Amino acid sequence: GAGVSQSPRYKVTKRGQDVALRCDPISGHVSLYWYRQALGQGPEFLTYFNYEAQQDKSGLPNDRFSAERPEGSISTLTIQRTEQRDSAMYRCASSLWPGEQFFGPGTRLTVL
Amino acid sequence: AQSVTQLGSHVSVSEGALVLLRCNYSSSVPPYLFWYVQYPNQGLQLLLKYTSAATLVKGINGFEAEFKKSETSFHLTKPSAHMSDAAEYFCAVSPIKAAGNKLTFGGGTRVLVKP
Repeated sequence: GAGVSQSPRYKVTKRGQDVALRCDPISGHVSLYWYRQALGQGPEFLTYFNYEAQQDKSGLPNDRFSAERPEGSISTLTIQRTEQRDSAMYRCASSLWPGEQFFGPGTRLTVL
Repeated sequence: AQSVTQLGSHVSVSEGALVLLRCNYSSSVPPYLFWYVQYPNQGLQLLLKYTSAATLVKGINGFEAEFKKSETSFHLTKPSAHMSDAAEYFCAVSPIKAAGNKLTFGGGTRVLVKP
C-alpha cells in the first residue's frame, strides 16, 4: 500500500502553544519510530512503539514531549508549551518486526 | 553506547567521478550498519545495509559499501557519479541484539555533483 505519511507537512506555531504531529505508518507494520532532525544534523531517536506499547522513550528530551499509539496504528507526537529550540524536522518511520525502517516525509516544525 | 562519524559534511564530485563517503562507527556490540539517502522534501530512503552476512554490500543506484571491522568503517562508494546522486547521505548503526533496532545516525554528508 501507500508509504508512511505524516501530517501536517509544515507547522508554524508560537512559543508556548501545544502541537500534535501525526504519523500514519505502512499498513501492517508493527513498529513505529519517531526521530527529530535539527538543521544540518542527522536524525536523533525520540521514541518507538511495538503495536500500541511504547517500548522506549529514552530519546524524548523532556516531559513536554509525549507520544501515543492507542490502536497500534496511527501515532501522535505531542509537544506542550513549545519553545524555539523545538524547531526541527520530525520524522516518523515504521517497520515490520524486525526489519527495514521506512521513513515518512517529515513534519517541519517552526516555533516563533 | 553507539556513535557514528561521517567525515566531511559536504562533498563535491564531478559527474562520472568516483563518489566516496566515509563513515566510522563505535559500538559496544556487533552492529547492523546502514546508508540512507535524503532527497529534498522527501523521506529517508535506504540505500543499503550490512547485517553480518557479506562484508561487501551492494545497494540501489549503483552504490556499495564495505564493512571493515578492524577499521570500524562502513564507507560508501559509487564508481561513477550521476547528476541524480546529488542528495544528502546518512550513515546509521543499530545494535544487532538489542530490542527496538533504533537507529543512531551520523551528521550526514551533502553531495554536490558538478557537470
